[in-house]
Amino acid sequence: EDKVVQSPLSLVVHEGDTVTLNCSYEVTNFRSLLWYKQEKKAPTFLFMLTSSGIEKKSGRLSSILDKKELFSILNITATQTGDSAVYLCAVRGEYGNKLVFGAGTILRVKS
Amino acid sequence: DTAVSQTPKYLVTQMGNDKSIKCEQNLGHDTMYWYKQDSKKFLKIMFSYNNKELIINETVPNRFSPKSPDKAHLNLHINSLELGDSAVYFCASSQGVFGELFFGEGSRLTVL
Repeated sequence: EDKVVQSPLSLVVHEGDTVTLNCSYEVTNFRSLLWYKQEKKAPTFLFMLTSSGIEKKSGRLSSILDKKELFSILNITATQTGDSAVYLCAVRGEYGNKLVFGAGTILRVKS
Repeated sequence: DTAVSQTPKYLVTQMGNDKSIKCEQNLGHDTMYWYKQDSKKFLKIMFSYNNKELIINETVPNRFSPKSPDKAHLNLHINSLELGDSAVYFCASSQGVFGELFFGEGSRLTVL
């Protein structure tokens, strides 16, 4: 069965710090890995990484995928209080439309 | 303009009742999903429809019945509600089965 493990489960940082969130996975016939940010309600899409796109960047957020070691990291630089959220990692395997989520990392950024 | 909208947002009901949650997307996507998020925040897929055809049906009690009248709508009906059904139910849509998912704001179901 496909599996996604995120770490740490939670962390607290101060504004301006850099954080690294981890996601390791086991999946049959990997297709893609996605990162989402969930504040109070709907998860919102951040990045999708595939075999042909193993590094993505948007502003202060960036993500890389290591297909050999089966993990991904999400980096947030110069954190702001608005970055406080649950960050979810999800993978797609053999059955492409079945996105399997990890438990998430709760990030709290203190001012 | 809300892309994926669900109603109702909150639902409080008694055990044994039947309830429905409706979902509509205006993104023109052809694939829609129902996910359940429990108290530990795990998002778990329940059902997926592609062009109104059921393509994923996870191990979900048959008290849960999805219905997709057209590509833009996916409803979820739950019979004989149980305490363990209490959760937030998220609807989502994507373009194709490999696209990123866009989520609705969730429907929080509380069964007393």
